[in-house]
Amino acid sequence: DAGVIQSPRHEVTEMGQEVTLRCKPISGHNSLFWYRQTMMRGLELLIYFNNNVPIDDSGMPEDRFSAKMPNASFSTLKIQPSEPRDSAVYFCASSHRVGEAFFGQGTRLTVV
Amino acid sequence: GENVEQHPSTLSVQEGDSAVIKCTYSDSASNYFPWYKQELGKGPQLIIDIRSNVGEKKDQRIAVTLNKTAKHFSLHITETQPEDSAVYFCAASEASGGGADGLTFGKGTHLIIQP
Repeated sequence: DAGVIQSPRHEVTEMGQEVTLRCKPISGHNSLFWYRQTMMRGLELLIYFNNNVPIDDSGMPEDRFSAKMPNASFSTLKIQPSEPRDSAVYFCASSHRVGEAFFGQGTRLTVV
Repeated sequence: GENVEQHPSTLSVQEGDSAVIKCTYSDSASNYFPWYKQELGKGPQLIIDIRSNVGEKKDQRIAVTLNKTAKHFSLHITETQPEDSAVYFCAASEASGGGADGLTFGKGTHLIIQP
């Protein structure tokens, strides 16, 4: 298995633009997580899905952030409109039921 | 919600010596405690985990201990090597039968192995 696949690896965008991050979880995993990593706040859970259903989105910073999981093999995290303070590395992770989470390589987002 | 504290934030040890990183958690319902290693430019990688029904687990040079009463757990690395240099994160979650819950991470420990 290729592991969790995220795209793009790097994204530079202007303030106000829409940004879409993509994730393909490991086949057979039924939980998917989106995390954000910054120097100041560390690794923060944004939202997670079980069996494609959003379970907890209390970590989503504000309404500009939204996430979807239309099927078991694909998820997106969208920021609209983007702001400079959204600059961070965004990680997607997947896991079995009650199993460990496997992380992707991350998307480094820079909003200028 | 859960709160995980991790220390030290930076740890420098001589190659061959042991390194210990400690974490505390606040939610007594947490029952799953993984440790992740993150190298520069990469995602966190699971290195060892422990569940609340055991007190200690070992895998070669790495061991983890858990004290549920005191709500703390520790990572021990023996005979450290240069490739152990990285940032290490502890985490906690309540892994229930309904599916994996999100992990709450500590702030990380930058481990530096001095040659």
